[in-house]
Amino acid sequence: DTAVSQTPKYLVTQMGNDKSIKCEQNLGHDTMYWYKQDSKKFLKIMFSYNNKELIINETVPNRFSPKSPDKAHLNLHINSLELGDSAVYFCASSQGTLGEAFFGQGTRLTVV
Amino acid sequence: AQSVTQPDIHITVSEGASLELRCNYSYGATPYLFWYVQSPGQGLQLLLKYFSGDTLVQGIKGFEAEFKRSQSSFNLRKPSVHWSDAAEYFCAVGASGTYKYIFGTGTRLKVLA
Repeated sequence: DTAVSQTPKYLVTQMGNDKSIKCEQNLGHDTMYWYKQDSKKFLKIMFSYNNKELIINETVPNRFSPKSPDKAHLNLHINSLELGDSAVYFCASSQGTLGEAFFGQGTRLTVV
Repeated sequence: AQSVTQPDIHITVSEGASLELRCNYSYGATPYLFWYVQSPGQGLQLLLKYFSGDTLVQGIKGFEAEFKRSQSSFNLRKPSVHWSDAAEYFCAVGASGTYKYIFGTGTRLKVLA
């Protein structure tokens, strides 16, 4: 029973396309995140949501639009994909920041 | 500004040897500290965490870490490394109310048979 699940695991698409990544957590957490891991393995926070409200937007281009329909879901929609968007995107969840974050398996996005 | 530094990008050890991965942080408040491991193609798995109390914390897979406030460090150790420990290791810091975790750049561990 996966705690944080992301779909799809792999995504290959052409420049200019629009794509979405879905994330669901069954841990009952109230906070969810999107992190981007670049080719050098650096993990950088993109967004965090607490109780469906956007808390952090770390200077991410507005082509990226997260949506949290409820506390258990946080989706990421990306418009007009660019080569530089190629990365692994991780969803995570936690109970506030009182504990550790639990990560999904990641979505490897490749823009060609 | 909040930051986490992992000075070693790559470390190679022989199987059965001891291991220490370094982590230094810069944080205004009392941080929560974490070590995560990432195997190839996988997500991040929590090895251990420190919130308060005993500064030596035990984690999974035989790992431990020691919090040293005076040195702003949280180094990860393992007395005897197994080939399956080869992975990328990340130190991270968080704090109550911040709604984000800041990660170091990672240390890639290679284990020689």
